[in-house]
Amino acid sequence: AQSVTQLDSQVPVFEEAPVELRCNYSSSVSVYLFWYVQYPNQGLQLLLKYLSGSTLVKSINGFEAEFNKSQTSFHLRKPSVHISDTAEYFCAVSRGGSNYKLTFGKGTLLTVNP
Amino acid sequence: GAVVSQHPSWVICKSGTSVKIECRSLDFQATTMFWYRQFPKQSLMLMATSNEGSKATYEQGVEKDKFLINHASLTLSTLTVTSAHPEDSSFYICSARARGRQETQYFGPGTRLLVL
Repeated sequence: AQSVTQLDSQVPVFEEAPVELRCNYSSSVSVYLFWYVQYPNQGLQLLLKYLSGSTLVKSINGFEAEFNKSQTSFHLRKPSVHISDTAEYFCAVSRGGSNYKLTFGKGTLLTVNP
Repeated sequence: GAVVSQHPSWVICKSGTSVKIECRSLDFQATTMFWYRQFPKQSLMLMATSNEGSKATYEQGVEKDKFLINHASLTLSTLTVTSAHPEDSSFYICSARARGRQETQYFGPGTRLLVL
C-alpha cells in the first residue's frame, strides 16, 4: 500500500516571499509523483509531475519540486509567491500498473497575503 | 490539450430522486476514467475506476447499486446517484487517463450536488 503525508494543512505567507509545501510518501515500489492545485469550487489542475529522469521538475508558473528517493519526499517550492497562488495544493502518488490509481495527501491550503 | 469537462457544474435535487453527472474528455480518448468524491476541506476519495466498454471497479465501501457508472465510449463516462439522500451531498470530480499517457490523470472541474 502507498500513502502520502502533507505535513502542513495550512501555510500562510506574504506576497513575494518564498514558500515550501512539504510532501512525504511511503511505498514499497517505484512511484510516480504529482502536485495538483485546486482553486475554490473548481477541479484539480496538474501542476507538475515526476515520472523518471531528472529529479527536479518545474511548472510553467514558477513552481518546482524535487524528488528525493532517500527521504521519500517531493516538496513543492516557489521562490516568490503571488496573491493568485492562493489555493489548495494536493500531493499525490501512483505506481505503475494497469490502473495507475492516485493516492492523495490531505492537501495544504496556501494563503498568500498582501 | 487534455481537457475534461463535467456537466452539470452544480445540481440541487430532492431526496429520493436520481441525478446523472456526465464526464467528457474533449480532446483525447480516455481509456480509463475515475470518479472521486470530495467533502468540504478534505482530500479526494476514489469511488470507482471505469474502463471503456467494461464494468466499473468500485472501491471498498462504495455502493455500486447506488452509484451507477457507465463508460460507454472513449470520451464519455456517467455517474448516476440513485435515490439520492442528503448524505450524498458532496463535490464529485471525475478524471480521465489518455491513451499513450496512462500515468497522468486529467481532472474535470467538478459537480457540486446538494440533496434537500
